[in-house]
Amino acid sequence: GAGVSQTPSNKVTEKGKYVELRCDPISGHTALYWYRQSLGQGPEFLIYFQGTGAADDSGLPNDRFFAVRPEGSVSTLKIQRTERGDSAVYLCASSLSAGAYEQYFGPGTRLTVT
Amino acid sequence: DQQVKQNSPSLSVQEGRISILNCDYTNSMFDYFLWYKKYPAEGPTFLISISSIKDKNEDGRFTVFLNKSAKHLSLHIVPSQPGDSAVYFCAASAQGGSEKLVFGKGTKLTVNP
Repeated sequence: GAGVSQTPSNKVTEKGKYVELRCDPISGHTALYWYRQSLGQGPEFLIYFQGTGAADDSGLPNDRFFAVRPEGSVSTLKIQRTERGDSAVYLCASSLSAGAYEQYFGPGTRLTVT
Repeated sequence: DQQVKQNSPSLSVQEGRISILNCDYTNSMFDYFLWYKKYPAEGPTFLISISSIKDKNEDGRFTVFLNKSAKHLSLHIVPSQPGDSAVYFCAASAQGGSEKLVFGKGTKLTVNP
């Protein structure tokens, strides 16, 4: 079946602009995660949804970052007033349910802030 | 403070030989460990996992060993194949809470023909 999809695959934006990154999880997966991967680092946790609610947003770096999952499927990560330090690959993952440890990742969105 | 450490940034092995990738962790609350493989421009792909109640899990050419007392795990690939060349990430999760994964920085494996 279809895996996790993310759009766009690449996004270049100017410092100060607003961006939205979309994630479409595997059908039937109730848990959805966002991670950020900087060059030379492993993925770092940002936020986790169980259904429609954010169960843990402790990884969001500051209040410029926000994510939603209004219908319990597709999720959007929103970044306001982008900064050059936000440049990274943003990865989305889904799992069958909370407690199902295996998470399946999408290809990521490469965000470049100029 | 890195809770999951992969101290070898790279590893090079000959095709057919064994590849051993190592991972150390500091958080004693971690009770589930995973290995992911990542090719360039792709997302990480789940490879194999192990629960803290076990000390070994095997899946084909891939075996993960867990030493809880040493807070150390390793991934063995035997025999190694050129298609195994990728970056390998070790990840850990704690029961309850958010089940978020904590990743190491990765080890780039190169398998030479």
